[in-house]
Amino acid sequence: AQKVTQAQTEISVVEKEDVTLDCVYETRDTTYYLFWYKQPPSGELVFLIRRNSFDEQNEISGRYSWNFQKSTSSFNFTITASQVVDSAVYFCALSEASSYKLIFGSGTRLLVRP
Amino acid sequence: NAGVTQTPKFQVLKTGQSMTLQCAQDMNHEYMSWYRQDPGMGLRLIHYSVGAGITDQGEVPNGYNVSRSTTEDFPLRLLSAAPSQTSVYFCASSLNRVAEAFFGQGTRLTVV
Repeated sequence: AQKVTQAQTEISVVEKEDVTLDCVYETRDTTYYLFWYKQPPSGELVFLIRRNSFDEQNEISGRYSWNFQKSTSSFNFTITASQVVDSAVYFCALSEASSYKLIFGSGTRLLVRP
Repeated sequence: NAGVTQTPKFQVLKTGQSMTLQCAQDMNHEYMSWYRQDPGMGLRLIHYSVGAGITDQGEVPNGYNVSRSTTEDFPLRLLSAAPSQTSVYFCASSLNRVAEAFFGQGTRLTVV
């Protein structure tokens, strides 16, 4: 069965610090897809990235980067030089090729203090 | 460009009442789903649909019904509301099951 674990419930950092949000997943499929979504205080859910299981290259987008490691079943998200606007709840999610379900982790609340 | 539209945004129900949460998308997406969001539990999948006429259960389907008569609409029905169904509900759609999901603005439901 597919499962996503985000062990960090809440993280608090000071602006300009780097922060890494952890995501560990479980799946029996060899083909699967991993996602990160952001939920700012306004409540909407915003797509950040999708990665398939055959692409282990790290991804960088501005201050955001993602580290996918199949060996440890992890898909971690790093924000470099954090800003107050990064304050949000971040969700990691998993979709297996054999299933039609997109399953989310419990989320990590990030607070960036000025 | 409407995207995914959910109505209502807020709702208060009495225990035992029934209601339907509406969800419509205008992107011609095949895949639609409903989630509930509770503190500390993230988003949990209630029901999903891979196309008109096809629905299936997610992680927490009890107490909810869905139907998908058209590609655009995917309503969620609460048959007999219970306080445990107090939550924020999100509808989502995606081109297919591995594409990015687009979410509605959410419905905050309180059952008293």
